[in-house]
Amino acid sequence: GAGVSQSPSNKVTEKGKDVELRCDPISGHTALYWYRQSLGQGLEFLIYFQGNSAPDKSGLPSDRFSAERTGGSVSTLTIQRTQQEDSAVYLCASSFGHNYNEQFFGPGTRLTVL
Amino acid sequence: AQSVSQHNHHVILSEAASLELGCNYSYGGTVNLFWYVQYPGQHLQLLLKYFSGDPLVKGIKGFEAEFIKSKFSFNLRKPSVQWSDTAEYFCAVNANDYKLSFGAGTTVTVRA
Repeated sequence: GAGVSQSPSNKVTEKGKDVELRCDPISGHTALYWYRQSLGQGLEFLIYFQGNSAPDKSGLPSDRFSAERTGGSVSTLTIQRTQQEDSAVYLCASSFGHNYNEQFFGPGTRLTVL
Repeated sequence: AQSVSQHNHHVILSEAASLELGCNYSYGGTVNLFWYVQYPGQHLQLLLKYFSGDPLVKGIKGFEAEFIKSKFSFNLRKPSVQWSDTAEYFCAVNANDYKLSFGAGTTVTVRA
């Protein structure tokens, strides 16, 4: 079946604007994750959704970042008042459950804040 | 929180050479270990994983990794690389929870 999809693939925005990044997980996967990959760095965990449980937002770098997951499927990551340091590739992953299950990654959204 | 170190930032080698990429983690408890690969223009995909059992794990495309608990290491190896192995390789760890902690990645360039 289809893998994890993300949109847009590229986003260029001006400093101070809000952006929304979308993730469609693999059908049936209950867990959804957002990570960020900044230039020259590894992937950094941002947020985790599992079923109807409260999300783990412990990785969000500031209160300008928020995410929601509607109907246990599609997720949107919102960055308000973007800053240049927000420029990165934002990756979404999903898995069937968590812990011992492989996380399948999407192609990412490359965000550039001018 | 656990951290992951990958020793090599960029490795350049010729086809048929052997490859070994180092990965060390800092966490004293039980861990699950992963190597992911990202080929140019493609998604991250899983190469191999270790949860328990035999510490020598075999993955796709001829890769293997050995978990050495006493050294907190999970090094990736391939006896003979091909040009198509050119990619970025990421070591990742989770400590029996859902968050993956990734190393900074190693770019491998294989020259034909």
